[in-house]
Amino acid sequence: AQSVAQPEDQVNVAEGNPLTVKCTYSVSGNPYLFWYVQYPNRGLQFLLKYITGDNLVKGSYGFEAEFNKSQTSFHLKKPSALVSDSALYFCAVRDIGWDSGYALNFGKGTSLLVTP
Amino acid sequence: DGGITQSPKYLFRKEGQNVTLSCEQNLNHDAMYWYRQDPGQGLRLIYYSQIVNDFQKGDIAEGYSVSREKKESFPLTVTSAQKNPTAFYLCASSSSDRSSYEQYFGPGTRLTVT
Repeated sequence: AQSVAQPEDQVNVAEGNPLTVKCTYSVSGNPYLFWYVQYPNRGLQFLLKYITGDNLVKGSYGFEAEFNKSQTSFHLKKPSALVSDSALYFCAVRDIGWDSGYALNFGKGTSLLVTP
Repeated sequence: DGGITQSPKYLFRKEGQNVTLSCEQNLNHDAMYWYRQDPGQGLRLIYYSQIVNDFQKGDIAEGYSVSREKKESFPLTVTSAQKNPTAFYLCASSSSDRSSYEQYFGPGTRLTVT
């Protein structure tokens, strides 16, 4: 079974400081990992993904994530947080088999609050 | 514009009534999905479909039904058998291209049943 864990329900950061939102995963084979962001009462927006290749993945809005196989982690990072980054962030892992229809398993989400 | 549309944005129903949520995509994606989102629980998969006229149950399919008669459309019916239907429902789609497994989401429908 594939799963992800987001150990923090909420992360608070001051504007201009670096931010990290943590995610760890559990898979039987090679993971396909994703980060999404959700603003209130909206759908999820895709930020970035790791399929293969470089461990540092760059995505939308200045976000990046580092894949660490030994620590089974895929933490989301941004060098300088903006107030507008405040939102709910989801990490997801893709189920490998065709039988699952490429369904994603989502973490419970981490609420990011960036204060001015 | 390409994307996924869901309607309506807000839906109110009385207990015991079936209700159908619409999901349409013009991304030419093969696969479509329905998720339910409850506070603090992340997203849970209800149903998914990989091709027209075929769909599979997800983790919480009880009390829900779907159809996939067209590639573009994947409506979800919340039946009276669903014990706690009040939630935020998200539809998504994805390509079967191995280089782009990410799912794209619609804006969601918030269903309230009283």
